[in-house]
Amino acid sequence: DAKTTQPPSMDCAEGRAANLPCNHSTISGNEYVYWYRQIHSQGPQYIIHGLKNNETNEMASLIITEDRKSSTLILPHATLRDTAVYYCIVRVAYNTDKLIFGTGTRLQVFP
Amino acid sequence: GAVVSQHPSWVICKSGTSVKIECRSLDFQATTMFWYRQFPKQSLMLMATSNEGSKATYEQGVEKDKFLINHASLTLSTLTVTSAHPEDSSFYICSARDWGRQNQPQHFGDGTRLSIL
Repeated sequence: DAKTTQPPSMDCAEGRAANLPCNHSTISGNEYVYWYRQIHSQGPQYIIHGLKNNETNEMASLIITEDRKSSTLILPHATLRDTAVYYCIVRVAYNTDKLIFGTGTRLQVFP
Repeated sequence: GAVVSQHPSWVICKSGTSVKIECRSLDFQATTMFWYRQFPKQSLMLMATSNEGSKATYEQGVEKDKFLINHASLTLSTLTVTSAHPEDSSFYICSARDWGRQNQPQHFGDGTRLSIL
């Protein structure tokens, strides 16, 4: 699976949009981009995933560049409860369910 | 939505004992489940793939005789840490996906914090 690169940490003011970038320059055509987050002392929580089109659900939006070499997870109105480590993972759907976690981005939302 | 349950959530035991951790998919069937380990301030490390009705597949460097995995049904996988020692103290997390539905993401349990004295 393709390797991803994320900034180690970010800050965001409560109520503002949090934009978390991820680089996956070696992504293959059949590899999906998945985002999970892990709040302290809990298991990872699925947020969203996509292949090449932008995606939106009740939690977040996922913007994937046209060349698919990078993506951005957007939390439109961050709250204190969004403070967590966010992981961007690239994998081939239907091939293997293995998720290989990188170091992620620690998002701190402040009042 | 899909729910994965782990039990126990927290366990403390003496060095040399064996500890069993259960992972259940509550509202779906999972032919494959995954076990991860996470040390403080580190990311999740995949330990093994648990396969229903067959042997587990272990990642490089993970001792299969130390970490016994059994996946006896489509909704239950167990991880047994045998003869646990303080260095086995960690946060153990399992995950699973609903194989009956296409393009579903992995869902994770809330983890088991293991402390060996």
